[in-house]
Amino acid sequence: AQSVTQPDIHITVSEGASLELRCNYSYGATPYLFWYVQSPGQGLQLLLKYFSGDTLVQGIKGFEAEFKRSQSSFNLRKPSVHWSDAAEYFCAVGPRTGTASKLTFGTGTRLQVTL
Amino acid sequence: DTAVSQTPKYLVTQMGNDKSIKCEQNLGHDTMYWYKQDSKKFLKIMFSYNNKELIINETVPNRFSPKSPDKAHLNLHINSLELGDSAVYFCASSQVSDTQYFGPGTRLTVL
Repeated sequence: AQSVTQPDIHITVSEGASLELRCNYSYGATPYLFWYVQSPGQGLQLLLKYFSGDTLVQGIKGFEAEFKRSQSSFNLRKPSVHWSDAAEYFCAVGPRTGTASKLTFGTGTRLQVTL
Repeated sequence: DTAVSQTPKYLVTQMGNDKSIKCEQNLGHDTMYWYKQDSKKFLKIMFSYNNKELIINETVPNRFSPKSPDKAHLNLHINSLELGDSAVYFCASSQVSDTQYFGPGTRLTVL
């Protein structure tokens, strides 16, 4: 069965510092990979996704993620965090085929930004 | 120009009541979903419809019944609400297995 692990439940960084959020997955084949962000009281917004090609993908708000097949990881990074980045971040995996995609989510990492 | 919209945003009701949540998408997608986010923020898929046909039906009590009148709408009806149904329910849509776009969520509180 597929699973997604986000080992860090809560991370605190200073504004301007770099950020890396970890995501490891277990899947039968190479899945589609996603990072979503959820601000308090809001829905989920797509930050970026990996389908194929370049393993370093760029997303919105200055985020990037790197797919490492050998490590089954898809870590999210940002070189300089802004206070507005404080939110809950979810990594998700989904199948590459089918008429519907059953996304499996990690448990989320809550990012706190100190000024 | 909301892509995926849900109504209501908040729903507070008594145990035993029946309630519905509505979802609409204007993205032209063929597939729509319902997810449940519990109090620990864990997201789990409940249902998925493709062109009004039920595709994914996870282990969900049969008190939950999705209905898709057309491919732009997917409603969720819940009978005999229980305390454990309190959660945030998210609707999403996608073009088959492509990226899912989520609605703003409906926070259901059962008293």
